[in-house]
Amino acid sequence: ILNVEQSPQSLHVQEGDSTNFTCSFPSSNFYALHWYRWETAKSPEALFVMTLNGDEKKKGRISATLNTKEGYSYLYIKGSQPEDSATYLCAFVSGGSNYKLTFGKGTLLTVNP
Amino acid sequence: GAGVSQSPSNKVTEKGKDVELRCDPISGHTALYWYRQSLGQGLEFLIYFQGNSAPDKSGLPSDRFSAERTGGSVSTLTIQRTQQEDSAVYLCASSPPGQGGYGYTFGSGTRLTVV
Repeated sequence: ILNVEQSPQSLHVQEGDSTNFTCSFPSSNFYALHWYRWETAKSPEALFVMTLNGDEKKKGRISATLNTKEGYSYLYIKGSQPEDSATYLCAFVSGGSNYKLTFGKGTLLTVNP
Repeated sequence: GAGVSQSPSNKVTEKGKDVELRCDPISGHTALYWYRQSLGQGLEFLIYFQGNSAPDKSGLPSDRFSAERTGGSVSTLTIQRTQQEDSAVYLCASSPPGQGGYGYTFGSGTRLTVV
């Protein structure tokens, strides 16, 4: 069983604050690490796909880093806005079955105006 | 279609009844996946279809669960004799052939409530 952990479970920040969350995953047999953003009653939206150790990706105010040797990824949001409120999911893909995503439980972010 | 379409968006059913959830993937996406999220849990893999290959059913939680994919397109997830623990959001996703590891396109899900 693959163990993907996300922390914190939930987070409340004020508008304008910067924040970050963590995803930890197995450090062996790595294929890819995904970040998704999921708003209630909507489809999970793909943010990043990360495949190389040391990868850093950026999309607007959101960025992510990847360390496959120690098995963690960080997601950063700079200058949080209320519309950033959502659950942020990470998903690990193992080389053994490279179509199956193993998800963490997510971090629920609430940005207060 | 432009995206992955799921129906119904919400379903309330009585314990013991059968339910069918439908997924219409993106045209041309040969890979189709079902996941579910129960309360307090992460998204849990249920089943994977790829073209004409035998599906990976390893995530189906019991023999009350089954899924079909007709004509390589639309998929139906059937839950027989529903139980309260089946209450969850059921998500369908699709991807181009061989691209699953690089990410899926998800539907907006079916919220199933068993009362």
